[in-house]
Amino acid sequence: AQKVTQAQTEISVVEKEDVTLDCVYETRDTTYYLFWYKQPPSGELVFLIRRNSFDEQNEISGRYSWNFQKSTSSFNFTITASQVVDSAVYFCALSEPYRYSGGGADGLTFGKGTHLIIQP
Amino acid sequence: DAEITQSPRHKITETGRQVTLACHQTWNHNNMFWYRQDLGHGLRLIHYSYGVQDTNKGEVSDGYSVSRSNTEDLPLTLESAASSQTSVYFCASSGQEGDWEQFFGPGTRLTVL
Repeated sequence: AQKVTQAQTEISVVEKEDVTLDCVYETRDTTYYLFWYKQPPSGELVFLIRRNSFDEQNEISGRYSWNFQKSTSSFNFTITASQVVDSAVYFCALSEPYRYSGGGADGLTFGKGTHLIIQP
Repeated sequence: DAEITQSPRHKITETGRQVTLACHQTWNHNNMFWYRQDLGHGLRLIHYSYGVQDTNKGEVSDGYSVSRSNTEDLPLTLESAASSQTSVYFCASSGQEGDWEQFFGPGTRLTVL
């Protein structure tokens, strides 16, 4: 069975600090997909990134970066120079590909989320 | 623009009543999903569908059912609502292989009294 662990329940930092959110996953498959979603106080879920298991390249998007390491089954997320608007709950999620012909992804297995608080 | 909508956004009902939450997407996605979000549990998969007439149980399917009669809609039915089903419900959809991003609806907050 697949599992996603976000050990940090809540993190509080002062604006402009860098912060890393940890994500550790478990899966029996060699092909899988990893995701990060942001849930701001307004409640919607905002997609941030998708990474497939064959692509271990790190990703940078503005102040956001992701470090994927298969050797440690981790997919960590770093925010550089954090801002108050980054305050949200962040979810890491895992999906294994649908095994029937025709494609389609299984539902996501989510971690319990990390509540990030950026203080001004 | 394509979107995914849920209705109602808020619902209060009583124990034992049947409740249906609607989910409608205009992405023309084959894959649709229902999740519930509870404090301390994150989001958990209830049911999912890979296409018309296809439905599958997720991690927490007891007490819920879905039906898929067209591509756009996947209504979620609580057969006999229980207080333990008080939660925020999210619907999501995704496209074909190579496009696994799941687009989420705005959520429905359901309270069962």
